[in-house]
Amino acid sequence: KQEVTQIPAALSVPEGENLVLNCSFTDSAIYNLQWFRQDPGKGLTSLLLIQSSQREQTSGRLNASLDKSSGRSTLYIAASQPGDSATYLCAVENTDKLIFGTGTRLQVFP
Amino acid sequence: GAGVSQSPSNKVTEKGKDVELRCDPISGHTALYWYRQRLGQGLEFLIYFQGNSAPDKSGLPSDRFSAERTGESVSTLTIQRTQQEDSAVYLCASSSSGRLYEQYFGPGTRLTVT
Repeated sequence: KQEVTQIPAALSVPEGENLVLNCSFTDSAIYNLQWFRQDPGKGLTSLLLIQSSQREQTSGRLNASLDKSSGRSTLYIAASQPGDSATYLCAVENTDKLIFGTGTRLQVFP
Repeated sequence: GAGVSQSPSNKVTEKGKDVELRCDPISGHTALYWYRQRLGQGLEFLIYFQGNSAPDKSGLPSDRFSAERTGESVSTLTIQRTQQEDSAVYLCASSSSGRLYEQYFGPGTRLTVT
C-alpha cells in the first residue's frame, strides 16, 4: 500500500529565506508526482507535475525534484514571500488515483 | 477558461438525511475524480471516472456512498443516511486523460452533518 509522508509538518520562516519541503513515498512504481498548495477554505492549486521519467520541474521560484528509486521528492521555494503561506501537499499517482501526503503548513512572516 | 466547479459550496444536513454534491469538470476532460478531506486529515481518494469505462470505486468508504457521471460531463456524489463522520470537504478534480496528466481541483463542498 502506497504511503506518502511529508516533512516538516509545519514551518515558520521570515520572508526572503530559501526553503526545502520534503516528500517521501513507499512504492516507487508511480506514474507521476504532483505538488499542490492549499489555501484555507479553498481548493487545491497545482504547482508542478513531474512525470516518472523526469528528474525535476521548475516554475518561477519553485523547483521540484524527483528521485523515484529512493522514493523522494523535494520542493524548493526560493526567496520566500508572505504570499507563499499555505499548506503544501505532494501526491503520487499510481493506479489512476492520487495518494496524498498530509502536507507541510508554511507560514512566511514579513 | 472555466475551471472545475462544485455546488453547493457549503451544505449543512441532519444526521440520517441524504445529500447530493455536484461537480462540473473542465470541458473536454475525460477523467473525473472525487476526494474527501476530513478535518486534520489528508485527502482520501473516493472514486474515479474515465470516459465510458467502469468507474474505479475502490475508495468509497461504505455502500452509503455512490457517484454517477453523465458521459464526460457532470458528476454527482450521493451520500445516503449521512453520519457525523461524513463531515468533510469533498473535492472534485478532472484531467485530460487520467494518468500522466495534471489533475485540476474544484473549490470543494464543505459538508457538515449535525
